[in-house]
This record gives sequence, C-alpha cells and structure tokens, in this order.
Amino acid sequence: DAGITQSPRHKVTETGTPVTLRCHQTENHRYMYWYRQDPGHGLRLIHYSYGVKDTDKGEVSDGYSVSRSKTEDFLLTLESATSSQTSVYFCAISHAHYGYTFGSGTRLTVV
Amino acid sequence: KQEVTQIPAALSVPEGENLVLNCSFTDSAIYNLQWFRQDPGKGLTSLLLIQSSQREQTSGRLNASLDKSSGRSTLYIAASQPGDSATYLCAVPYSGGGADGLTFGKGTHLIIQP
Repeated sequence: DAGITQSPRHKVTETGTPVTLRCHQTENHRYMYWYRQDPGHGLRLIHYSYGVKDTDKGEVSDGYSVSRSKTEDFLLTLESATSSQTSVYFCAISHAHYGYTFGSGTRLTVV
Repeated sequence: KQEVTQIPAALSVPEGENLVLNCSFTDSAIYNLQWFRQDPGKGLTSLLLIQSSQREQTSGRLNASLDKSSGRSTLYIAASQPGDSATYLCAVPYSGGGADGLTFGKGTHLIIQP
C-alpha cells in the first residue's frame, strides 16, 4: 500500500465517546486524505491535508476534525461518535505521476 | 459540482468474455481520471491513471480510454477471468488541480462466472 498504514484496523466504540484514527505514511507525501465508504453513498471525502498544519474540509466534514503535526501522520478525530459515523474509513495519499493510493481501511462501529 | 456515474451498476458474465465498463463525469475540465479495483472487505487498488492529455492507458489485459469532450471513460477487460471479480471504481479530481481529493462513482460490481 505504498507505505500507508492505518490504525486501528477495526474498532467498536460507544455513542458519545471520542475516537481517533491514525494514518501513517513513510514516503514523505505532501497531500493526505480521509474518506469514508458507505453502502449507497460510495466513497466521500471527509478532510484533506496539503502540508503540516494545513488542512481543509471535504464533502462530509461535519462531526470530524483532523490534525497533521508531522508529515507522516494524519489523524482523524470523531469528537463524540454517533451511529451515523459507523463506516469504513480510508486514508489516501496523492502523487503527481501515480495518482492516489489508498490504505487498507479502518472499520469503525459505533454502538 | 463534479458528478461521476458508472454503468452498469452490476455485471455478471462467463469467463473468457471481453467486457466494457463505463464511466461518465459532468465537468470535462479534469486533470486526470483514475480507475480502481476493490475486493470485498479490502482497500482500493489503483489500476490505471489517465492524464488529461492522454487518450488511453493499458496495463496487461486492461485498457482505459478517456474522452474529455464527451465526459466519458471506458475500462476494457480482455479475456475475463474469475479473479477479475471485484468492484471497479472510476474517480476524477474535485477540481482542476487534482490535489484536493477525488470524487468517485458508485462502482460496477463485476462477477466472472467460472
């Protein structure tokens, strides 16, 4: 996966609890992305980052925040998880010549 | 807003057939177009990336074409095999620069019957 590691791979959490998902890359890519994938909606962009401390909102950013304090790590935080945030979350990087590469995903269940 | 449509949503064919998956997009000012494959419960694997200046790209039995003016791309799979069974996704950048994320079609779920 082009040096992209997502953790955890699976998580079950309770409604109202905070949750942080981590994306780690080893190839010094500038751009990183968080997507969610849901049946009937496909893949949708949550947030992305274009450098350390530089982030912007995507299509479905409500209820999510992100942070990037180091080039290699991009964190996605659900401040107070809701059942509607049950989903599979994918991290990605982009490269000018090779396009986008995705991580293996984190399956999050909010009960 | 860029929108991506993939037709058909599902396709089941016998092994050995040549097949075409279709992708259309509403804004023709795209930087590139990327085709992915996704196996059940897995992540996305990039198959082909076509830059806006290119008409097609080939990788093994896969050939993807791009017609920006008509807002269409096709993915051609030659001599299909059961191992080709997966969901195929088409994606284009949200905006011209290409770095602010991709917008995806909902995919074509392909089953190749042995």
